[in-house]
Amino acid sequence: DTEVTQTPKHLVMGMTNKKSLKCEQHMGHRAMYWYKQKAKKPPELMFVYSYEKLSINESVPSRFSPECPNSSLLNLHLHALQPEDSALYLCASSQDGLRVAEAFFGQGTRLTVV
Amino acid sequence: GESVGLHLPTLSVQEGDNSIINCAYSNSASDYFIWYKQESGKGPQFIIDIRSNMDKRQGQRVTVLLNKTVKHLSLQIAATQPGDSAVYFCAEKGHSGTYKYIFGTGTRLKVLA
Repeated sequence: DTEVTQTPKHLVMGMTNKKSLKCEQHMGHRAMYWYKQKAKKPPELMFVYSYEKLSINESVPSRFSPECPNSSLLNLHLHALQPEDSALYLCASSQDGLRVAEAFFGQGTRLTVV
Repeated sequence: GESVGLHLPTLSVQEGDNSIINCAYSNSASDYFIWYKQESGKGPQFIIDIRSNMDKRQGQRVTVLLNKTVKHLSLQIAATQPGDSAVYFCAEKGHSGTYKYIFGTGTRLKVLA
């Protein structure tokens, strides 16, 4: 199994809503990532978890709150988002964040904030 | 042809021709590089990687070349097929001890029938 599974695939939410994005992998990877991708742009790193601990927060606004309940799961909690937060949110995992190895990406959640 | 500016750089090639996609990276300390393919509405898909102690690596129909002197990476696709149409990103990972995969700006490959 070399898959990273993200749910939901699409999400429309209002600016006052609270929602969560979910990500799951069963490759035994110990590093997990959240990226944000706007149209025609490269993915931009948001958060990195290593061994279930937050290792990197790329100065992401607090309306995005990551959580890593266990080594297979990664969540991104969303609250009071703005329309400019609409984007494709990608989850990725790699063996060990410090090793030289590729990151595997999920298919993403297409988020629209209205 | 190639276009730059507000739009994603685009490379158009005839089916069956070879494609060369280029990438300039910024960090001379980066020691690992990956090419990803991203189709519309999907996540990036791993194609091939190369470590900084190599200058060439070959896969099935793809070759990656690394020139550390000028911090340049290229992806060569042989006998380009319609299924190769996608956006291609290079990504760099810094020296050991960093968690970050940093993506380049991307190139759209269009395969013409």
